Amino acid sequence: KQEVTQIPAALSVPEGENLVLNCSFTDSAIYNLQWFRQDPGKGLTSLLLIQSSQREQTSGRLNASLDKSSGRSTLYIAASQPGDSATYLCAVRDAGGTSYGKLTFGQGTILTVHP
Amino acid sequence: DVKVTQSSRYLVKRTGEKVFLECVQDMDHENMFWYRQDPGLGLRLIYFSYDVKMKEKGDIPEGYSVSREKKERFSLILESASTNQTSMYLCASTYGLAFRSSYNEQFFGPGTRLTVL
Repeated sequence: KQEVTQIPAALSVPEGENLVLNCSFTDSAIYNLQWFRQDPGKGLTSLLLIQSSQREQTSGRLNASLDKSSGRSTLYIAASQPGDSATYLCAVRDAGGTSYGKLTFGQGTILTVHP
Repeated sequence: DVKVTQSSRYLVKRTGEKVFLECVQDMDHENMFWYRQDPGLGLRLIYFSYDVKMKEKGDIPEGYSVSREKKERFSLILESASTNQTSMYLCASTYGLAFRSSYNEQFFGPGTRLTVL
């Protein structure tokens, strides 16, 4: 059974710092990996999706990498801002015809960026 | 933009009531999902559907049922609400077939915060 772990569980940084969030998964047979952002009491907003054949994806100040063979992904946030404060979740979609797109989620990293 | 909407942001119900949570997506997605999210437990899959009238149990289906009569709409039903079903409920959707989308991104609704008294 796929298990997804995110480290650290919480992170507090001053504004302007570059930071890295980590995600690891136990079964490397994945279709893709998706990073989400969740603000308190809200739904999930998709940030980046990396296909299993890709190494990284970039969107603005965000860069996500994937090392499928070692079961790891990182989300790099450049020049952090207070508005980046949120919970960041990673999720993997297992390969296999009967998965129907089900995602397995990590527990999330709570990020606080203080001015 | 893909849009996934949920019928209520907040809902308060009493123990034993029948509760309907509605989810609608506008991107012609085949697959739809219901999750619940609880502190310390993360997101857990309740049910999903890969086609109209088709459904599969997720990890925690007990106490819930679902209905998918139309492609765009997926309903979660609590037959007799209990206090341990107080939670945040999140609906999501995605394309089912790889060739329909090269990304198969999963999109989420805003969530329904359900309180059962």
